[in-house]
Amino acid sequence: GAGVSQSPSNKVTEKGKDVELRCDPISGHTALYWYRQSLGQGLEFLIYFQGNSAPDKSGLPSDRFSAERTGGSVSTLTIQRTQQEDSAVYLCASSLWGTETQYFGPGTRLLVL
Amino acid sequence: QKEVEQNSGPLSVPEGAIASLNCTYSDRVSQSFFWYRQYSGKSPELIMSIYSNGDKEDGRFTAQLNKASQYVSLLIRDSQPSDSATYLCAVNRDDKIIFGKGTRLHILP
Repeated sequence: GAGVSQSPSNKVTEKGKDVELRCDPISGHTALYWYRQSLGQGLEFLIYFQGNSAPDKSGLPSDRFSAERTGGSVSTLTIQRTQQEDSAVYLCASSLWGTETQYFGPGTRLLVL
Repeated sequence: QKEVEQNSGPLSVPEGAIASLNCTYSDRVSQSFFWYRQYSGKSPELIMSIYSNGDKEDGRFTAQLNKASQYVSLLIRDSQPSDSATYLCAVNRDDKIIFGKGTRLHILP
């Protein structure tokens, strides 16, 4: 079956604008993770969903960041009033449940001018 | 103490030699352990998972787990230039997975 997909693959925006990043997990996967990766850096955990609920939002950098998941499937990460330091690759991963192998999407490369 | 610790490297290994990558973790009750490989500009991909103490072999890769020492390692035999990448260790904490920062491996031709 299809893997994890993310859209858009690239996004260029102006400082202060809002952006929405989408993740389509593998069908049947109950767990969904969002990560951020700046150039040459490790994975920065943002938020974890189990089904539609988010038991751990501890990684969201500020209240400008929010995420939701509907129908236990698609997730959207929203960044409001983007700043230049938000520029990074945003990766989504899904797994059957929280402690199992994660499968990563190709990422969304965000550039804030 | 960081939850999952790895030496950032770079670790340089001659082609054909054994590359040894190490990872320590802080949660004594962790049960699931993973090694991912990430090529530059690409997403991480799973190499191996390990759940029991001891060694697990898959081709040129061997994962080693020692829960008493809270230590997991990855050995790559007969290293190839194509093995040059960042290797991420991941460990479960409660119901989610925590990643280390990764070790950059460079195989010298």
